[in-house]
Amino acid sequence: DGGITQSPKYLFRKEGQNVTLSCEQNLNHDAMYWYRQDPGQGLRLIYYSQIVNDFQKGDIAEGYSVSREKKESFPLTVTSAQKNPTAFYLCASSTWGATTDTQYFGPGTRLTVL
Amino acid sequence: GEDVEQSLFLSVREGDSSVINCTYTDSSSTYLYWYKQEPGAGLQLLTYIFSNMDMKQDQRLTVLLNKKDKHLSLRIADTQTGDSAIYFCAASTDSWGKFQFGAGTQVVVTP
Repeated sequence: DGGITQSPKYLFRKEGQNVTLSCEQNLNHDAMYWYRQDPGQGLRLIYYSQIVNDFQKGDIAEGYSVSREKKESFPLTVTSAQKNPTAFYLCASSTWGATTDTQYFGPGTRLTVL
Repeated sequence: GEDVEQSLFLSVREGDSSVINCTYTDSSSTYLYWYKQEPGAGLQLLTYIFSNMDMKQDQRLTVLLNKKDKHLSLRIADTQTGDSAIYFCAASTDSWGKFQFGAGTQVVVTP
């Protein structure tokens, strides 16, 4: 089955720790995205990548880092510099240059800072 | 930049029609989307419409686009309890699909 997987589903972190959220897709999509979702708010773009070994900051990149070493993988690291990291994180992918192909979403990771 | 707004809550009785509204600010938005999110899950694409269309129908879903007023709506006919979810409107202006999402409308279907 083709799709996007995110792991873990739930993640707990102590203050001051870095954590990495996994996102893998087997859709052969070029572009991948990370969003943050807070209650009562829409999705806010953290980072996006249009191609392997390249990525750009989204609207709220501070305190986050990413890598794109493989086409199918786009891990997100939430660093200790992120002041309010508790949120629901969503990964998505799409075919670059084909807006009508739209974005497909993973099931999300809920991060809680203790 | 693009700004997308939606009402936050809608309550509807089972069997009635639901109408969810969305406004956007960027007149160059070329594609507009509706996504559904069930509790604790990712977003599922319901439908999308090109900016050169006025209406699109897909089974129980009808999308209406008023480009002059930059207003988008999603009508769900014969609403069922399984339609209870958060519905997101999104707009795209870039060729590679960078989206701007609204805050989402929580739809609650009552028996």
